[in-house]
Amino acid sequence: IAGITQAPTSQILAAGRRMTLRCTQDMRHNAMYWYRQDLGLGLRLIHYSNTAGTTGKGEVPDGYSVSRANTDDFPLTLASAVPSQTSVYFCASSGGPVLSGANVLTFGAGSRLTVL
Amino acid sequence: GQNIDQPTEMTATEGAIVQINCTYQTSGFNGLFWYQQHAGEAPTFLSYNVLDGLEEKGRFSSFLSRSKGYSYLLLKELQMKDSASYLCAVMDSNYQLIWGAGTKLIIKP
Repeated sequence: IAGITQAPTSQILAAGRRMTLRCTQDMRHNAMYWYRQDLGLGLRLIHYSNTAGTTGKGEVPDGYSVSRANTDDFPLTLASAVPSQTSVYFCASSGGPVLSGANVLTFGAGSRLTVL
Repeated sequence: GQNIDQPTEMTATEGAIVQINCTYQTSGFNGLFWYQQHAGEAPTFLSYNVLDGLEEKGRFSSFLSRSKGYSYLLLKELQMKDSASYLCAVMDSNYQLIWGAGTKLIIKP
């Protein structure tokens, strides 16, 4: 089934540890995104990639890094996790032209991360 | 700053009609999206409006007034499976999506 796969589904992590959330899509979409979702807040963009080999910072990039070595994979790394990074993380992709209003996002199932 | 406002929670009865409002203040406008998100799941696309007026898609319709910075999502013939959060998002002049916090819709029998 075409879509986005995220791993892990859920993780409890000690503060200060390094963590990588994996995201793989099989739709050959050019653009990929990482969002975090917190109670009472809208989805907030962490990092994005318009095409393989390029990345950009979103609204809340501090403490996170990404890479886009190929079209399919877009991992998100927390170099040294802190409790404020406790959240649900969604990876998304879109296949439309980047500078287009009609750019529908397809989301992965999410990764629930708890930092203690 | 940029802002999307929608009610936090709404309750409706199975079989009825409900209207979920969204008002926005953004730097520019390149379209408005509605997504549905069931608890513990990923958001899924419902509708996209870029011109004023009503877009109908089965039991769901979405309306946009750009001059008023206003949209609504209309759900007819409510079913229990419509219990979910409904997310409003606006694409600004830089083609960045600004998201509302979502409206949790509770359907009662």
